[in-house]
Amino acid sequence: GAGVSQSPRYKVTKRGQDVALRCDPISGHVSLYWYRQALGQGPEFLTYFNYEAQQDKSGLPNDRFSAERPEGSISTLTIQRTEQRDSAMYRCASSGGRTDEAFFGQGTRLTVV
Amino acid sequence: ELKVEQNPLFLSMQEGKNYTIYCNYSTTSDRLYWYRQDPGKSLESLFVLLSNGAVKQEGRLMASLDTKARLSTLHITAAVHDLSATYFCAVGFMNRDDKIIFGKGTRLHILP
Repeated sequence: GAGVSQSPRYKVTKRGQDVALRCDPISGHVSLYWYRQALGQGPEFLTYFNYEAQQDKSGLPNDRFSAERPEGSISTLTIQRTEQRDSAMYRCASSGGRTDEAFFGQGTRLTVV
Repeated sequence: ELKVEQNPLFLSMQEGKNYTIYCNYSTTSDRLYWYRQDPGKSLESLFVLLSNGAVKQEGRLMASLDTKARLSTLHITAAVHDLSATYFCAVGFMNRDDKIIFGKGTRLHILP
């Protein structure tokens, strides 16, 4: 596609439910990053993939958060048993290589009620 | 600990003036990024700096990198209102599995 696509754009879920956030990177991009951004703050690193390999998941807050990229393209960030503190904008970025520009999608606004 | 610090965090300036935003980082890096974010929008890539002494310019914005000082600057020349936004620097850390860490951002408000 022309850019990084994230879906859904908005998600409202009840506390305790599981959610899956999808990222479709720019075609051919090998690097994929997930970030979380609170209002008025900078993006907070969550995890990073190189092709299908999850190279770094040190930013995932706890074991309720997981991510996968099984075929080296689309990635899914899953949050189990959501809590209100999980409410934030979740952003995905992709790049052609480690020294290339990283392009961001429009994000998924998650609200846990 | 991997740290990226920007200053100032808030900046209000008048049109026509020059100013510089600073980005310091804590350990060896081989790439530094500058992004712009408008309210309610995503992040727009401005510059990628890859080597010591690298300088890139686009319009009224110029970015530079000093890897020895672990410092990057974003210089604004003759500011115009359209440049009002939040500017982030982000650093890719070597030998840290390629994670890219962002600063807190500089919220720039340019008065017409």
